[in-house]
Amino acid sequence: QVQLVESGGGVVQPGGSLRLSCAASGFTFSSYGMHWVRQAPGKGLEWVAFIRYDGSNKYYADSVKGRFTISRDNSKNTLYLQMNSLRAEDTAVYYCAKDSGTYSSGWPHDYWGQGTLVTVSS
Amino acid sequence: VIWMTQSPSLLSASTGDRVTISCRMSQGISSYLAWYQQKPGKAPELLIYAASTLQSGVPSRFSGSGSGTDFTLTISCLQSEDFATYYCQQYYSFPWTFGQGTKVEIK
Repeated sequence: QVQLVESGGGVVQPGGSLRLSCAASGFTFSSYGMHWVRQAPGKGLEWVAFIRYDGSNKYYADSVKGRFTISRDNSKNTLYLQMNSLRAEDTAVYYCAKDSGTYSSGWPHDYWGQGTLVTVSS
Repeated sequence: VIWMTQSPSLLSASTGDRVTISCRMSQGISSYLAWYQQKPGKAPELLIYAASTLQSGVPSRFSGSGSGTDFTLTISCLQSEDFATYYCQQYYSFPWTFGQGTKVEIK
């Protein structure tokens, strides 16, 4: 069965950096685009970033563009989110989510991880 | 950026009720709209994609309609397990955006 397991969350000071990982199993990782979606405490969902199945294209929310970088290692079935220049407003649960279309440029998320909490605070 | 207005933000209903949630776009998105359900402390789950296509395993009491700028999620006969928060999402163009969410609570 499809499993997505995020890790790397924690407490970081404003201006700091953190790298999230998402280990994928149960499907052919290299055939699917992947996303990061976040949710601030008590708030709604915010789409953060997308990477195509082969890493050839990446897209970002305006709120993180220039600070966050999405990447993937298809040999390790792992998705990453490098987060730099973190701000208090980046505090959220970060979910990795699988694209539901193969070799696509983006389809809705049919599987989600359990999320990892990032807290930006001094 | 495509902005979305989801309404209502809170909906009080009883088991057996028919409920409707609306999502309006700032520009046309054809049928590139999805609906998700989220329960407290859990990740969202995909209910509907392409505006009206039911995701595998989702009960038939859920349905979606609309195209262009106006979309609707309908739950025909609310069950106890349906009390949750619902989000629409456009995937017509990046950056993708979610609606603000509709919490369906017990009246």
